[in-house]
Parts: sequence; structure tokens; C-alpha cells
Amino acid sequence: AQKVTQAQTEISVVEKEDVTLDCVYETRDTTYYLFWYKQPPSGELVFLIRRNSFDEQNEISGRYSWNFQKSTSSFNFTITASQVVDSAVYFCALSGAHYGGSQGNLIFGKGTKLSVKP
Amino acid sequence: EPEVTQTPSHQVTQMGQEVILRCVPISNHLYFYWYRQILGQKVEFLVSFYNNEISEKSEIFDDQFSVERPDGSNFTLKIRSTKLEDSAMYFCASSAGGGNEKLFFGSGTQLSVL
Repeated sequence: AQKVTQAQTEISVVEKEDVTLDCVYETRDTTYYLFWYKQPPSGELVFLIRRNSFDEQNEISGRYSWNFQKSTSSFNFTITASQVVDSAVYFCALSGAHYGGSQGNLIFGKGTKLSVKP
Repeated sequence: EPEVTQTPSHQVTQMGQEVILRCVPISNHLYFYWYRQILGQKVEFLVSFYNNEISEKSEIFDDQFSVERPDGSNFTLKIRSTKLEDSAMYFCASSAGGGNEKLFFGSGTQLSVL
């Protein structure tokens, strides 16, 4: 069975602090995809990153960086120099590869609520 | 950036009533999805739709639920006889599919069943 665990329910930091959101996943698929989505207070789900299981290279996008480690089944997300606008719920998600189709049936974790205080 | 549009943003209904939630996916996308999020809980997959048929569905998506793409632009989720536990935020999503997968989500419809 596929499962995503985000052990941190809520995190509170002060602006400019770095923060890491943890994500651990379980899957029997050899090919799979990992995602992070942001849900700001307005409620929509905003795509942040997609990573396939064959690409363990870490990625940096501005203040955001992701650390994918297959050995520990983790896909952690770090925000450097956090800002108030980063306050949101962040979801990690997992999708298996389906032959000939879309990997759209995502398994979401329960989310981590990040509060960044000024 | 193109976006997925959902209407209405809020829907209140009485238990046992039928509701239809509407979505306009991004125009050149081929894959469509419904997800739901019960208040304070995780986002859950309901159904995926491709080439005018359901490609996958979860255990949540029972006989009370149906999806339709009635024309070239709309994608609807119907709940035939709503229950209290159907109260949730329902998200529509679409994707171009293929190897370059990225789901675009709408802003959601908050369904309240009284």
C-alpha cells in the first residue's frame, strides 16, 4: 500500500528562520512520483515540485529546496529565510506510475501547517 | 497562467438532495480529477477521468457519485443523495498527462450538507 507521512502537524517560526518540512513515503512501486503542494489560507492547492523516483538530485528554486533520499524514503522540503507569505499548509504527495496514463491519483500526507511570524 | 475554474465556491444543501459541482479544466488538458478534503484532514483522491471514461476511482467514489464531461469544456461531479459526511471541500484538477505531469487544481467548492 502507498502511504505518505508528514509527522509535523504544525510548525511555527519567526521570519527569516530556515525551516524544514519532513515527508516520508511508502510504496512498492519501483517507479513513482513525489510532489509538494502549498495550500495558503485562501484554500487553493498550488503545485511546488514534482520529482520522479529515478532522479535523486536535490533541487533548489529560489528560497525553496528539496532533499530526496531513496535510502530513507524521504522527500524533505526546506524554506530558507522564511517569510510571512510562506504561511500555509504544505502537503507532500505520492503517485505510482500507471502504464500509458496519467499519474494523477495522488496519495497526500496529512499536511504540515507552517506559521511564519513577523 | 491558465487556471482551473470551479463553481460554485460554496454550496449548501439538505441531506438527501442531489448536488452537481462544476469545473472548467484547462482547455488543452486531457486528464481530469476530483479530490476532496474534509475540514482539517488530508486531501483524498476520488476519481480520474480520461477519454470520456473513468480511468481510476477510490473507495470513496461509490454509487452515489458520478462524473461527466457533458461538453468540450465542463467536467462535473454529481452526488446523487448527499449525506452529512459528504461535507467537504471538493477540488477539481486537470493535467496535460504524459511524462510531464503536473496537476493544476481549482480553488475548490465548499460543500455543506445540513
